[in-house]
Amino acid sequence: QVHLQESGPGLLRPSETLSLSCHVLNSPIDTDYYYAWIRKAPGKGLEWLGSFHPTGTVYYNLSLRSRITMSTDMSKDEVYLTLTSVTAADTATYFCARQFSSSGDLDYWGQGILVSVSS
Amino acid sequence: QSVLTQTPSVSGAPGQRVTISCSGDSSNVGSGNDVNWYHHVPGRAPKLLISYNSHRPAGVSDRFSGSKSGSSAVLAISGLQAEDEGFFYCQCYDSRLSGWVFGGGTQVTVL
Repeated sequence: QVHLQESGPGLLRPSETLSLSCHVLNSPIDTDYYYAWIRKAPGKGLEWLGSFHPTGTVYYNLSLRSRITMSTDMSKDEVYLTLTSVTAADTATYFCARQFSSSGDLDYWGQGILVSVSS
Repeated sequence: QSVLTQTPSVSGAPGQRVTISCSGDSSNVGSGNDVNWYHHVPGRAPKLLISYNSHRPAGVSDRFSGSKSGSSAVLAISGLQAEDEGFFYCQCYDSRLSGWVFGGGTQVTVL
């Protein structure tokens, strides 16, 4: 059973940089899949942030294009999210998920990590 | 506002059938891109219910079914159960945005 586990800081100050890791367990990072980040802000719906393919192809949400970076360390089976210049609007639960390349469906999700941005 | 429009809420009695619509346009659903559906209970990880418009992954109850026609997709839940409460989201690739998008979500309440 594939398992994804997010980790990172739970509290940030405005203007700081958010850095999250996602460890993929029980399945090596695979080129059949993208690895995506999604967030859920309080009172809002799911928001796709970006999808990263192990070969380097990456898709980002255009609204975050200037602030977001995704990367991977395949030797560690980890995927990373970096979001710069955070504001209160970035307060959300952040999920990582495995995304099938063909259909784009997100078949395995982490439990999510709550990140709060507050001064 | 999401480019995929969903009814904000639906409700039904236990055992009833409810449907959730997801309306897009020619840059996403209408261009032949697959629609996927998820169930999210707050505090838990979202769960994939339907992929490729109508395919149920292993382990997903056959009470859930998906269909797509033109620029719209529909998720049907038959035999509504208390455990179905939560939020349902459609998802699709949007060629104009060059990325994936979620619908705004539909909250399902079991009366």
